[in-house]
Amino acid sequence: NAGVTQTPKFQVLKTGQSMTLQCAQDMNHEYMSWYRQDPGMGLRLIHYSVGAGITDQGEVPNGYNVSRSTTEDFPLRLLSAAPSQTSVYFCASTDSHNTEAFFGQGTRLTVV
Amino acid sequence: GEDVEQSLFLSVREGDSSVINCTYTDSSSTYLYWYKQEPGAGLQLLTYIFSNMDMKQDQRLTVLLNKKDKHLSLRIADTQTGDSAIYFCAERDTGGFKTIFGAGTRLFVKA
Repeated sequence: NAGVTQTPKFQVLKTGQSMTLQCAQDMNHEYMSWYRQDPGMGLRLIHYSVGAGITDQGEVPNGYNVSRSTTEDFPLRLLSAAPSQTSVYFCASTDSHNTEAFFGQGTRLTVV
Repeated sequence: GEDVEQSLFLSVREGDSSVINCTYTDSSSTYLYWYKQEPGAGLQLLTYIFSNMDMKQDQRLTVLLNKKDKHLSLRIADTQTGDSAIYFCAERDTGGFKTIFGAGTRLFVKA
């Protein structure tokens, strides 16, 4: 049982480049979300989805897009990378009782 | 708005008890969580408590909730070097989806 899988683990981008962070879960969870983790700031919610075809913004959505075409996948797109988006990104999925969130291993992104 | 606050660092000796504290602001919080993050890894749920409970114990872990003061604590008995990690407090309200995380408390365990 793989749980939540994120790729890539590390990425360096130049300012202005675009890329997609992948997230997949095999637990048939309805809820999925993306967080960024910055020193001293905990985790901040970027976007979330409560089911296939349904997404909504979190606390810090600017500069990011998401889509949820299947239950399993929830990719996060950076449209035009900026140094302020240098961070560690975590994808999470939540069971139907909305109690425990399962996290991926994280993607460390550096924008130069 | 909702906010969760924790101290950033805690240092203890191996074998001692560790107590990590957290305060939150949302009075409608229903679930309160403690997550552990080891270096280079994602977050793992350690335990959670429902807001109508005062205490929950699970082996070496004891969670205390003071709902009046909106204060949550995590006590780790007989702390080991393997407990060195960042511990995140988080809250979620009933029916809501958003989970609010604290900044995390980095626990150092000295041998």
